[in-house]
Amino acid sequence: AQSVAQPEDQVNVAEGNPLTVKCTYSVSGNPYLFWYVQYPNRGLQFLLKYITGDNLVKGSYGFEAEFNKSQTSFHLKKPSALVSDSALYFCAVRDITPSGAGSYQLTFGKGTKLSVIP
Amino acid sequence: KAGVTQTPRYLIKTRGQQVTLSCSPISGHRSVSWYQQTPGQGLQFLFEYFSETQRNKGNFPGRFSGRQFSNSRSEMNVSTLELGDSALYLCASSLVSGRDPYEQYFGPGTRLTVT
Repeated sequence: AQSVAQPEDQVNVAEGNPLTVKCTYSVSGNPYLFWYVQYPNRGLQFLLKYITGDNLVKGSYGFEAEFNKSQTSFHLKKPSALVSDSALYFCAVRDITPSGAGSYQLTFGKGTKLSVIP
Repeated sequence: KAGVTQTPRYLIKTRGQQVTLSCSPISGHRSVSWYQQTPGQGLQFLFEYFSETQRNKGNFPGRFSGRQFSNSRSEMNVSTLELGDSALYLCASSLVSGRDPYEQYFGPGTRLTVT
């Protein structure tokens, strides 16, 4: 079964500093990886995805993520944090093989709360 | 394009009652998935529908059910509500049912409180 781990429940970073939100995954084959962000009382917003190719993926709002196959990691990064980046961040993985009737299920991590301090 | 819409946004029900939640996907999206979000369990997959067929189901009791209509709109139903069903229920749509790695787009959710 596929799984995702986000080892930090909370990450605090000063505004203007670089930020990293960690994610590791476990799948039976090659993964499709996603990052989503959730603001209070809102649904999840898609940030970026890794399918294949370049290990560094660029996404929305200046975020990027680095895929590392040997370490089975997909850490989210941003060079300079903004207060408005404060939110809950979810990493998700989708296996390339179907889990049922041709469907491909997304498995989410528990989420990491990012607080950017002014 | 309008995003995923969910109605109602907030709902308060009593134990033992049943509830129906509605989701309208982004125009052209034929796959709809439902997730339950709670502080303790995080995001858990409920089920996915594509072309009016349930393609996948998560590990939830039979009290949780859903359906999809020909216009891709989806409903989920929870019967005999329990206190533990209190959660944010999120609907997500995507272009196809997973053959290609299209990202899912989420609605704002329905906050269900069971008293």
